[in-house]
Amino acid sequence: SSELTQDPAVSVALGQTAKITCQGDSLRSYYATWYQQKPGQAPVLVFSANNNRPSGIPDRFSGSKSGTTAVLTIAGARAEDEADYYCNSRDTSGDPVIFGGGTKLTVL
Amino acid sequence: QVQLVQSGAEVKKPGSSVKVSCKASGGSFSRHALSWVRQAPGQGLEWMGAIIPVFGRTQYTQKSQGRLTITTEESTSTAYMELSGLRPDDTAIYYCARGGAYGDYGEYDFWGQGTLVTVSP
Repeated sequence: SSELTQDPAVSVALGQTAKITCQGDSLRSYYATWYQQKPGQAPVLVFSANNNRPSGIPDRFSGSKSGTTAVLTIAGARAEDEADYYCNSRDTSGDPVIFGGGTKLTVL
Repeated sequence: QVQLVQSGAEVKKPGSSVKVSCKASGGSFSRHALSWVRQAPGQGLEWMGAIIPVFGRTQYTQKSQGRLTITTEESTSTAYMELSGLRPDDTAIYYCARGGAYGDYGEYDFWGQGTLVTVSP
């Protein structure tokens, strides 16, 4: 079955741009969806596979894809953006939906 | 506004079964996929399976096939996740999440609060 690979940790200076990547063969066929999870809370959808940002999510969150790599970009990172971020996508080999291992974003 | 409210924490013995409920309010229950995602302590998210109530169709991971059963009770807009043959490594927070209309595309716009299932001798 396919896998989605994320860097375990990314750090960004306050106010700078953070880029969180997600790599996998399934992204050749499908877009990634991105979730933010803060400690003790359920995940929150921050950017969807059809390039939509849910209402209430700041426009500093955006997503893109090239080949087998998807990127969540957080422009002008704020302290409240410090969280774990997960990508997922559909898959056609193995399980229908797969998640990446997650990236812990630290805002310095 | 859609709300998903899950049942409370459970402590189970190895080899037993657990059934977690997820009651939906607001929105259309039948048309949307209802998926289950778990998170072991300190670990990432793991998709386990989904059901599309209007079709009664289920999908499970290869890993959970045979141990996991997802059902719904449309009269009460409630979904259930039953996991049998519990092992200590099934200890996790189990989340229900609302997926897309008529299918699970991995996009979950509403999540339950999570249910901690602890498997311990």
